[in-house]
Amino acid sequence: QVQLQQWGAGLLKPSETLSLTCAVYGGSFNDYYWTWIRQSPGRGLEWIGEIIHTGNTNYAPSLESRATISVDTSKNQFSLRLTSVTAADTAIYYCVRAYKLGSIFDFWGQGAQVTVSS
Amino acid sequence: DVQMTQSPSSLSASVGDRVTITCQASQDITNYLNWYQQKPGKAPKLLIFDASNLETGVPSRFSGSGSGTDFTLTINSLQPEDIATYYCQQYDNLITFGQGTRLEIK
Repeated sequence: QVQLQQWGAGLLKPSETLSLTCAVYGGSFNDYYWTWIRQSPGRGLEWIGEIIHTGNTNYAPSLESRATISVDTSKNQFSLRLTSVTAADTAIYYCVRAYKLGSIFDFWGQGAQVTVSS
Repeated sequence: DVQMTQSPSSLSASVGDRVTITCQASQDITNYLNWYQQKPGKAPKLLIFDASNLETGVPSRFSGSGSGTDFTLTINSLQPEDIATYYCQQYDNLITFGQGTRLEIK
């Protein structure tokens, strides 16, 4: 059974950097796209970006300047860094497995609440 | 960006009812549309992919239809465990989600 387990700092101050990591257990890591999606009351579900095992990435245009997704294939892990956070980045962040070139999200992590507050 | 508009934003139905949720895209997305169910405190769960294909393990009372700009999620014979918020998601142009439809039991 596929499991995604995520972790990272939950409380940040404005201008700090958000950092989250997701470990993947089960399945073939190289066969899928690995994605970050966030959810907030104001913005709903928002796709942040994706990576594949080769390190190729795609980002949402609105976040591209601040987001970096990286992968460690030796550990079956991938990570998200989001710089210069503001209160608008407060959300639940999910790591997600995607297939069909990253378009269908079939396994989700448990979610991590990230709050940005001074 | 492709905007996805769901209706209604919330609805109340009785056990055994047939429930219909619609999702309209701001442009033609062919059948590049998925549906998810999210229960409180949980991550979304894939129900339907490519507009009408039932994900493995999802009860057959769930079905999806539509193409182009107009799509529908139908739940036949609503069950208590179907109480959740439902989201559509397009992948024709980047990825965007609808704002969600909250389903309650009457």
